[in-house]
Amino acid sequence: DAGVIQSPRHEVTEMGQEVTLRCKPISGHDYLFWYRQTMMRGLELLIYFNNNVPIDDSGMPEDRFSAKMPNASFSTLKIQPSEPRDSAVYFCASSFTQGLGEQYFGPGTRLTVT
Amino acid sequence: ILNVEQSPQSLHVQEGDSTNFTCSFPSSNFYALHWYRWETAKSPEALFVMTLNGDEKKKGRISATLNTKEGYSYLYIKGSQPEDSATYLCAFQDDYKLSFGAGTTVTVRA
Repeated sequence: DAGVIQSPRHEVTEMGQEVTLRCKPISGHDYLFWYRQTMMRGLELLIYFNNNVPIDDSGMPEDRFSAKMPNASFSTLKIQPSEPRDSAVYFCASSFTQGLGEQYFGPGTRLTVT
Repeated sequence: ILNVEQSPQSLHVQEGDSTNFTCSFPSSNFYALHWYRWETAKSPEALFVMTLNGDEKKKGRISATLNTKEGYSYLYIKGSQPEDSATYLCAFQDDYKLSFGAGTTVTVRA
């Protein structure tokens, strides 16, 4: 298995632009998580899905952030409009119900908003 | 936001020495306690998942213990090697959500 796949690996954009981050979970996993990692706040959960349905989005910082999971093999995290304070590494992770809850992380997308 | 605390924040250990560090977490609504290893420029990798009070897990030279009644877990590294240098994260699980601590960064000096 290729593991969790994220794209792009690096994104540099200007303030005000729309940014879309993509994630492909491990096949067969029914949970998908989006995290943001910053020096100040560490690894924080933004939103998670179960069977493509958003379960908890309480970590999404504000309305500029949105996430979708149109099918079991694809999810997007969108920021519109982006701001410099959104600069961070965004991780996607997946897990499956029959496991112990351990999450498998993708390589992350490093976002820089100038 | 659940309060998951790790200490110390960082430590340096001489190659061959053993070390340990702590994760404290809420003792209510406990489902599981996870340990992850996070190497620089990589993504976190699961080390252990512990669910029962008194659980002990071991993988090679790394082991972990769990006390759910008092809300703490220890991670031990025996005979540290340079490849053990990483940040070790613990995470408290309630339902399917993980709340991560800030991590303990271990640097092993040759």
